[in-house]
Amino acid sequence: ETGVTQSPTHLIKTRGQQVTLRCSSQSGHNTVSWYQQALGQGPQFIFQYYREEENGRGNFPPRFSGLQFPNYSSELNVNALELDDSALYLCASSLGGPGQSQGNTFGSGTRLTVV
Amino acid sequence: AQSVSQHNHHVILSEAASLELGCNYSYGGTVNLFWYVQYPGQHLQLLLKYFSGDPLVKGIKGFEAEFIKSKFSFNLRKPSVQWSDTAEYFCAVKSGAQKLVFGQGTRLTINP
Repeated sequence: ETGVTQSPTHLIKTRGQQVTLRCSSQSGHNTVSWYQQALGQGPQFIFQYYREEENGRGNFPPRFSGLQFPNYSSELNVNALELDDSALYLCASSLGGPGQSQGNTFGSGTRLTVV
Repeated sequence: AQSVSQHNHHVILSEAASLELGCNYSYGGTVNLFWYVQYPGQHLQLLLKYFSGDPLVKGIKGFEAEFIKSKFSFNLRKPSVQWSDTAEYFCAVKSGAQKLVFGQGTRLTINP
């Protein structure tokens, strides 16, 4: 079984630009969550997607948006990038819907640097 | 709001020493508890998890954790650490909602 794969692994963007990060979930997993991990901090929940709809959101502004596709892969889009958006962005997949607590499998992350 | 507190930011031990990393959470309802490890340059990996039942859970690589409900704690332990245990360790909590709430992490350095 394949794990969670994320692309790209590293990215440098200029303040004000837009970025799209991609995630392929582990085989058989139907739920995808995105986390932001700033340097020296624990991951913080951005949002989760289940059945192609956003299902739960953390304390992130609307310029953070996402998509989930029929094959359960997902994208994270960030508009109007700010310097503080520089972080490791983690994707995690799991099996189960709302209210079901399952273990998450994490990808290696995309390291985004905003200059 | 849920929160997770890991008291030790950086722990330095010698090989064969015993390890205990503290984790406390604030949430009064039913929770699921996790410990993740992040080796240098690698992705987060699940060490162990507690959903229900025996509060002493055993994970991979000789790690274990004890859920003490009255103390809202889920401390990670290992009787004898190895140099390869050098990593960042994260405690996380999930309640009925979907999200994992992580602690700030504890960086563990094992000196050979």
